[in-house]
Amino acid sequence: SQQGEEDPQALSIQEGENATMNCSYKTSINNLQWYRQNSGRGLVHLILIRSNEREKHSGRLRVTLDTSKKSSSLLITASRAADTASYFCAHPRGAGGTSYGKLTFGQGTILTVHP
Amino acid sequence: NAGVTQTPKFRVLKTGQSMTLLCAQDMNHEYMYWYRQDPGMGLRLIHYSVGEGTTAKGEVPDGYNVSRLKKQNFLLGLESAAPSQTSVYFCASTDRRRLNEQFFGPGTRLTVL
Repeated sequence: SQQGEEDPQALSIQEGENATMNCSYKTSINNLQWYRQNSGRGLVHLILIRSNEREKHSGRLRVTLDTSKKSSSLLITASRAADTASYFCAHPRGAGGTSYGKLTFGQGTILTVHP
Repeated sequence: NAGVTQTPKFRVLKTGQSMTLLCAQDMNHEYMYWYRQDPGMGLRLIHYSVGEGTTAKGEVPDGYNVSRLKKQNFLLGLESAAPSQTSVYFCASTDRRRLNEQFFGPGTRLTVL
């Protein structure tokens, strides 16, 4: 399987705390993405970081990418109960133009934010 | 603008029965995908399509067939359902300009008894 690994598998925090999730992957990539999945729903794209970027911000989200270690992290600052969801990293499957948008997903981190 | 829709939302089948899951998108996307999601396994790609009339196998295609007769629709068929196909199925779409972002439907929860 080409699936990456995410850790922790589950994370439980209090509202206002920061949440950090990590993702490792196995192949060379040109970008890495993070998705959120609320219970019983489909996945929603959160943020994308390209291989030539080391850090990217979007609102309360901060993503880092270390291509030498084949790893990425997603930080959610000042978490809210509404952030409770599963978070998945994903990267293109296949090289360059042959990927046809296909993605390989990690196994996900279940985040629970307690009010 | 409904985005990506899936029907049905839930279905229970008996072993050996057949069914078709329908995915529709109204964003004029060229690329469409079918995934299955199982506990602890993340999402695994079943089949995908890069345009009307074309389909290709993904990571776990066995036991499934697909068709893309119209650009906006992508059908996933189970000819003879097995308990191992109990899962949540997601459809997604994207296009050449947004290859890096997929748009997902709400999912179909299938149970095979």
